[in-house]
Amino acid sequence: DVVLTQTPSILSATIGQSVSISCRSSQSLLDSDGNTYLYWFLQRPGQSPQRLIYLVSNLGSGVPNRFSGSGSGTDFTLKISGVEAEDLGVYYCMQATHAPYTFGAGTKLELK
Amino acid sequence: EVKLLESGGGLVQPGGSLRLSCAASGFTFTDFYMSWIRQPPGKAPEWLGVIRNKANGYTTEYNPSVKGRFTISRDNTQNILYLQMNTLRAEDTAIYYCARRTGGDYWGQGVMVTVSS
Repeated sequence: DVVLTQTPSILSATIGQSVSISCRSSQSLLDSDGNTYLYWFLQRPGQSPQRLIYLVSNLGSGVPNRFSGSGSGTDFTLKISGVEAEDLGVYYCMQATHAPYTFGAGTKLELK
Repeated sequence: EVKLLESGGGLVQPGGSLRLSCAASGFTFTDFYMSWIRQPPGKAPEWLGVIRNKANGYTTEYNPSVKGRFTISRDNTQNILYLQMNTLRAEDTAIYYCARRTGGDYWGQGVMVTVSS
């Protein structure tokens, strides 16, 4: 199975600070169809995960543009440009290139 | 508005069976792949499997961790997704979510399944 390694596991930030989360894959996530099936989700406390980013860098519907995704192959990054209080929770990356599809262990974003 | 509503969870003894349902609304159900994902308490989500759309023959794919015990199906007349779970184990205890697409653009609120004697 593809292993996704997220760093850091805990991220402390102040409101307005810009932060980044890394997701590294044990295999390239570039599919034979040319797409890279790498997604980012935010799970707020007590809620279901919400998709933020699809196909590495595409913003989900209704997702604020302070969120951005980048990367290729095995290295991917989620950036939040100016953390807001509603951004607190656990962030997960997920790959859907190689079955079984897998999630990273998560990065908890908390207030400093 | 896209809505996904799971039901059918609860407490079940080891070795027992349970069927979860996910009622979908707000989109053309047959156009979309549908997934089941679970999340043990305090842990990361785990993808369980997917059932493809009409254009892809409603075929299924499973995580080997549950293949042979779990079965995904869909009722395209009532817009309901199902997860049949057999031979349940304590490690199957989790919140179970249905999601639209493989990449989960919409998720349900989840339903708790507890496997315990």
